[in-house]
Amino acid sequence: ETVLTQSPGTLSLSPGERATLSCRATQSVSSNYLAWYQQKPGQAPRLLIYGTSTRATGIPDRFSGSGSGTDFTLTINKLEPEDFAVYYCQQYGGSPTFTFGPGTKVDL
Amino acid sequence: QVQLQESGPGLVKPSQTLSLTCTVSGGSITSGSYYWSWIRQSAGKGLEWIGRIHARGSTNFNPSLKSRVTLSVDTPKNQFSLNLRSVTAADTAVYFCARVDMYYYYYMDVWGKGTTVTVSS
Repeated sequence: ETVLTQSPGTLSLSPGERATLSCRATQSVSSNYLAWYQQKPGQAPRLLIYGTSTRATGIPDRFSGSGSGTDFTLTINKLEPEDFAVYYCQQYGGSPTFTFGPGTKVDL
Repeated sequence: QVQLQESGPGLVKPSQTLSLTCTVSGGSITSGSYYWSWIRQSAGKGLEWIGRIHARGSTNFNPSLKSRVTLSVDTPKNQFSLNLRSVTAADTAVYFCARVDMYYYYYMDVWGKGTTVTVSS
């Protein structure tokens, strides 16, 4: 089973700054099968990025994804107040199963 | 616009079966290359994928839950359901249903709002 690790656990930033979130897998992940979600308290996760780098419908272009193999990155340029949330990466792999990372909290 | 809504008891006794239903509106459960999934989240914890089902009935499960989980689909009602047997306090969580796009890229693009299930006597 592929395990995802996210770092840092918490990222303390201010509006206008850039956030760089890391997702690392214990085995190589197909770039087609790596996605990122945003979750705010009391809400369901919201799809941000799929296929490593494709923004979902309605997602602003300050969100971008990159990476390959076992290392993937979500970058948020010029943080807006509404971007402070928890971010999860997700992969689909063998078994077949989906797994999520433990999340990175982007905090003020 | 497809929307999902979870429903079911908010309180389940230990050793009993947790049963939830997800109703799909704004689209057909049989359309496209979609699977339908359940995901849960314990308080203050991350997301745990439970399993997925296709409208034709094929299923896949998280290995850690496979022995206790049944998924089913009711296409006339546009619903799919989760049964989790022999629950314990560790199964207390918010349960989400989600649509899984598996045409080329694999991701969960539509989520229900979630329903809280507490396991307690």
